[in-house]
Amino acid sequence: EVQLVESGGVVVQPGGSLRLSCVASGFTFDDYNIHWIRQAPGKGLQWVSLISWDGTSTYYGDSVQGRFTVSRDNSKNSLYLQMNSLSTEDTALYYCARDQGRWNPATFNFDYWGQGTLVTVSS
Amino acid sequence: QSALTQPASVSGSPGQSITISCAGSSSDVGGYNFVSWYQQHPGKAPKLLIYDVFTRPSGVSHRFSGSKSGNTASLTISGLAAEDEADYYCNSYTTSSTVVFGGGTRLTVL
Repeated sequence: EVQLVESGGVVVQPGGSLRLSCVASGFTFDDYNIHWIRQAPGKGLQWVSLISWDGTSTYYGDSVQGRFTVSRDNSKNSLYLQMNSLSTEDTALYYCARDQGRWNPATFNFDYWGQGTLVTVSS
Repeated sequence: QSALTQPASVSGSPGQSITISCAGSSSDVGGYNFVSWYQQHPGKAPKLLIYDVFTRPSGVSHRFSGSKSGNTASLTISGLAAEDEADYYCNSYTTSSTVVFGGGTRLTVL
């Protein structure tokens, strides 16, 4: 069974930093591109970031470009999102989601999702 | 990248059909056949319903179908059932080599 489990969400002050993690199981992790997608409370979905299956390519949404960094450790079946210079607008439930296709190119179809980890930016 | 435009809410009675629209531009919906749809029940993660405009993943009911005309994509749900009550999101690939979601549509089954 494919599983994605996020962790690391906490309450953090504006301007602070945070690192989220996502641990995968039930599939060959290093075959797949993985995304971060977020959802502010009561709001819609927003794509955040993509990392390629081998970690060599990364992509970011305009609202996080230059502040967030995605990485992965295929030996640990793990994905990470380093979040810096956080603002209240970053408050959201952060999901990791598997890209439907294997290797490249990414399809941007998200076929498996975790349950999310909540990041709250507040003073 | 601006969000795609969806109606905030739609409703229908059991057994009826409803259609949810997703309006974009030539830079996203109109420029690529890479539109997907997601269903999200309260407190749950989204579920992939349709990808590449009209393709259903294995296990998704045939009651869900997708289409596209110009810059607008649509999701049709036929034979509405109580369990279809949820939020629905469209998504499209864009000229920025990223994706943009719609604002979401709340479906109420009367």
